[in-house]
Amino acid sequence: DVKVTQSSRYLVKRTGEKVFLECVQDMDHENMFWYRQDPGLGLRLIYFSYDVKMKEKGDIPEGYSVSREKKERFSLILESASTNQTSMYLCASTGAPYGYTFGSGTRLTVV
Amino acid sequence: SQQGEEDPQALSIQEGENATMNCSYKTSINNLQWYRQNSGRGLVHLILIRSNEREKHSGRLRVTLDTSKKSSSLLITASRAADTASYFCATDARDTNAGKSTFGDGTTLTVKP
Repeated sequence: DVKVTQSSRYLVKRTGEKVFLECVQDMDHENMFWYRQDPGLGLRLIYFSYDVKMKEKGDIPEGYSVSREKKERFSLILESASTNQTSMYLCASTGAPYGYTFGSGTRLTVV
Repeated sequence: SQQGEEDPQALSIQEGENATMNCSYKTSINNLQWYRQNSGRGLVHLILIRSNEREKHSGRLRVTLDTSKKSSSLLITASRAADTASYFCATDARDTNAGKSTFGDGTTLTVKP
């Protein structure tokens, strides 16, 4: 069964901390994505990557960075966590025919 | 703004009834996908329909696509309590990088036993 695994289901961090959200896929997909999901705002794309060491900004990249050193791993970094980054974070990967496989999500609370 | 918009925002039906959700989008697409999300979980891919297809079936799911109206519908027949979830459409637009889909805000479906 193909999988996208997010390292944590729930995370509580303090304001100002550097936060790492990890995502690993076992499908050899080139394309990986990070979204955040907030009530009433739907899914918003933060960053995506089409290849190792390659990244592109999505719709809301401010306050975030990403790293893709290996094909299977795509990390989202909150450089200095703030309370407005409290959200559900969803990682996804895709290959042909372009249906997404999502991880279970990480619910991050910044206090 | 989001490329896809689902309608209605919320739908409540009895078990055994059919549920229909609609999705409208704004630009030309390569394909359109439907996903389900159970509360607090990630999204699960249900079905993908390409721009040159008009209808697709998968079990109790039926998806239609009308590119002239830029709209799609998802029909769940003989609904079950376990179908209670949020349903999202996503579009892979022609003028964007292939594989980068844009999601709507979703329809929340409640199926009462």
